[in-house]
Amino acid sequence: DAGVIQSPRHEVTEMGQEVTLRCKPISGHNSLFWYRQTMMRGLELLIYFNNNVPIDDSGMPEDRFSAKMPNASFSTLKIQPSEPRDSAVYFCASSVGLSGGEKLFFGSGTQLSVL
Amino acid sequence: AQSVTQLGSHVSVSEGALVLLRCNYSSSVPPYLFWYVQYPNQGLQLLLKYTTGATLVKGINGFEAEFKKSETSFHLTKPSAHMSDAAEYFCAVSAGGTSYGKLTFGQGTILTVHP
Repeated sequence: DAGVIQSPRHEVTEMGQEVTLRCKPISGHNSLFWYRQTMMRGLELLIYFNNNVPIDDSGMPEDRFSAKMPNASFSTLKIQPSEPRDSAVYFCASSVGLSGGEKLFFGSGTQLSVL
Repeated sequence: AQSVTQLGSHVSVSEGALVLLRCNYSSSVPPYLFWYVQYPNQGLQLLLKYTTGATLVKGINGFEAEFKKSETSFHLTKPSAHMSDAAEYFCAVSAGGTSYGKLTFGQGTILTVHP
């Protein structure tokens, strides 16, 4: 298996532009997580899905952020409009189930820079 | 609610020396505990996890951790450091049982290994 695949690896954009991050989870995994990593705040859970349904989006910073999972093999995280404080590494992770003991498999992340 | 505190944002050891990375947690329910490692420009990889049962957990690359409920700790150790162990290490906690398995991460500890 190719693991969790994220695209793009790097994204540089200007303030006010729309940004879309993409994630393909591991085949057979039914839970998907979006994390954000910054120096100041560390790793923060933004939102997670189970069987394509959003379970908890309490970590989404504000209405400018939205996430979708239209099917079991694809998810997007969209920021509109983007701001410089959104600059971070965004990780997608997937797992089998949600009982709390599962291993999370992380993608390599998307490095987002908003100028 | 859960939280994780990693004591020491940077730890430096000599090659061949003992590695000890400290983690204390807070949880209102019996916790599941994890250690993840992150190499530069990569996503996180699971080193080991504790869910139930034996409190001394062995993981990959010679690492192990011991769950001590009385001390609310889950410190990571390795008897002899190798240069390839240089990375950032994250302790994480989730609610076990039938609760949803979202992870709360600590701030991370950067391990440096000197020749």
